[in-house]
Amino acid sequence: DGGITQSPKYLFRKEGQNVTLSCEQNLNHDAMYWYRQDPGQGLRLIYYSQIVNDFQKGDIAEGYSVSREKKESFPLTVTSAQKNPTAFYLCASSTQPKTGELFFGEGSRLTVL
Amino acid sequence: GIQVEQSPPDLILQEGANSTLRCNFSDSVNNLQWFHQNPWGQLINLFYIPSGTKQNGRLSATTVATERYSLLYISSSQTTDSGVYFCAVLDSNYQLIWGAGTKLIIKP
Repeated sequence: DGGITQSPKYLFRKEGQNVTLSCEQNLNHDAMYWYRQDPGQGLRLIYYSQIVNDFQKGDIAEGYSVSREKKESFPLTVTSAQKNPTAFYLCASSTQPKTGELFFGEGSRLTVL
Repeated sequence: GIQVEQSPPDLILQEGANSTLRCNFSDSVNNLQWFHQNPWGQLINLFYIPSGTKQNGRLSATTVATERYSLLYISSSQTTDSGVYFCAVLDSNYQLIWGAGTKLIIKP
């Protein structure tokens, strides 16, 4: 089935460690996005990529890094520089960035101890 | 930038009731989308609706772009409809702006 796969679903890490969250899509979508959601809050954009080998910072990019070496893959690294990394992370993709029709993965819940 | 306001913030209903959720936006938009976030956190697309009316089973949505609002109707609510409903609009820079959501609880 076509879709967006995020892994792992749950992740625990010690403070100071870098963590990489995986996002893979087989929808042949050009654009991919990473969002962060804190409890009881809406979504905030971390990074987005409209095409392979290109990505742009969103509203809260500090302490995060991404890469887009393949169309299907858009991994997110939460670095030790991120002050409060515990959150729910959602990856999304869309056919074209200018349509804004997003499809989401199931999310990754990161807890930093 | 564009402001997106959703109302009500919280809604508690008995199973079988109907509900209307509203999304107001402060400027013209290129598009609008409704999502349902279930209690496990998954975001499900409901409608991609820049204008007009769409229906999908017990759910329907209407966007009146000229008056800057959209409505999501849920009829004959079921407990599985519980969760948070978000609307998101696409602004002139092709950035998605999210509302704060409406938390819906359907009691059996």
